[in-house]
Amino acid sequence: NAGVMQNPRHLVRRRGQEARLRCSPMKGHSHVYWYRQLPEEGLKFMVYLQKENIIDESGMPKERFSAEFPKEGPSILRIQQVVRGDSAAYFCASSPPGQAINGELFFGEGSRLTVL
Amino acid sequence: DQQVKQNSPSLSVQEGRISILNCDYTNSMFDYFLWYKKYPAEGPTFLISISSIKDKNEDGRFTVFLNKSAKHLSLHIVPSQPGDSAVYFCAATRTSYGKLTFGQGTILTVHP
Repeated sequence: NAGVMQNPRHLVRRRGQEARLRCSPMKGHSHVYWYRQLPEEGLKFMVYLQKENIIDESGMPKERFSAEFPKEGPSILRIQQVVRGDSAAYFCASSPPGQAINGELFFGEGSRLTVL
Repeated sequence: DQQVKQNSPSLSVQEGRISILNCDYTNSMFDYFLWYKKYPAEGPTFLISISSIKDKNEDGRFTVFLNKSAKHLSLHIVPSQPGDSAVYFCAATRTSYGKLTFGQGTILTVHP
């Protein structure tokens, strides 16, 4: 039973390029979350998605960042025109549909973005 | 605005002794609190949680205590084992879904 799968695990981009991070939730899970961890900090909520819907994007920067979870395929976190401050670990988490889960999430191993 | 704070960046404990990790919060709207454990190069894994209507929850070697009046929670690990060495994150939520506010983390080292 595979867990939450994220790829790539490591991504290096130059300033101004685009970064795409992918996340496949656990089997049977239809809710996906993206969190970002800057160096020496805790994880910060970015966005909560269900299939084809963005439920809560209150933690997403207003510009350059977007997220989607299409009907088929993985969830994608897209960062356009990356800057050095985007360097961080990006974690995806998933949860099953239906009941309230009160924050008990299953996290992937993260994608580490380095912007040169 | 750091709504969840873990003021101890690190803690060192001898194997077999008790580890106590602390966490403070400022938002009285939080109604559910969780602890996550994280090893290097891995994602966080859920450890234990507590609802705001309780003051204690126990699961094996792990116990979480909640003091609402002080806006403080703690995680007790007894007895501590070397495999417990990891970063521990305190988190809180006021939603029914996975929108969590995390603390900065505490690095626990358990010495054999």
